[in-house]
Amino acid sequence: DVVLTQSPLSLPVTLGQPASFSCRSSQSLVHSGGNTYLNWFHQRPGQSPRRLIYKVSNRDSGVPDRFSGSGSGTDFTLKISRVEAEDVGVYYCVQGTHWPPYTFGQGTKLEIQ
Amino acid sequence: QVQLVESGGGVVQPGRSLRLSCAASGFTFSLYTMHWVRQAPGKGLEWVTAISYDGKNKYYAESVKGRFTISRDNSKNTLYLQMNSLRDEETAVYYCVRDGDLLTGYGFDYWGQGTLVTVSS
Repeated sequence: DVVLTQSPLSLPVTLGQPASFSCRSSQSLVHSGGNTYLNWFHQRPGQSPRRLIYKVSNRDSGVPDRFSGSGSGTDFTLKISRVEAEDVGVYYCVQGTHWPPYTFGQGTKLEIQ
Repeated sequence: QVQLVESGGGVVQPGRSLRLSCAASGFTFSLYTMHWVRQAPGKGLEWVTAISYDGKNKYYAESVKGRFTISRDNSKNTLYLQMNSLRDEETAVYYCVRDGDLLTGYGFDYWGQGTLVTVSS
């Protein structure tokens, strides 16, 4: 199974400052068809996860443009250009290139310092 | 709008069974692969199982193979998860999740609110 390793596990950020989340895969996530199925999710405390980014860099409808995804192969990054209070919570990456099973990273907790 | 509403969670003893349901609305249910994803208290997300749009193909995490069964009734727009021989460590919130499509992007585009399953004696 593909292992996704996220870092850091905890990320204290000042409001208005940028934040960066890393997700590294144990193998390339490039599908034989050419797409890379790596998505990012945000989960606020007590809520269901919400997808932010699909296929590495595509923002979901309604997601603010301060969120951006990038990367290729085995290394992927989610960035927030200016953190707002509503951005707190846990961020997960998940791969769907080599499924089953879908595999999630262990999550990065964003806190406001 | 897309809605996924899970039900059927509760407290169950180890070794017993439980069936979860997920009522879908706001989209053409019969066109989408559906998943169950779970989250133990204070822990991360774990994919459990998936079923193709027509119910013909089913996929399971190794940890639940042979004990859990996913199914769907497209005439009722409902997804099910039959869980047998439940274990303590399977205490979790179970989410019903839509897979997405070419337009919305594959991979968990909509989630239900989750239903809590507590396995305890």
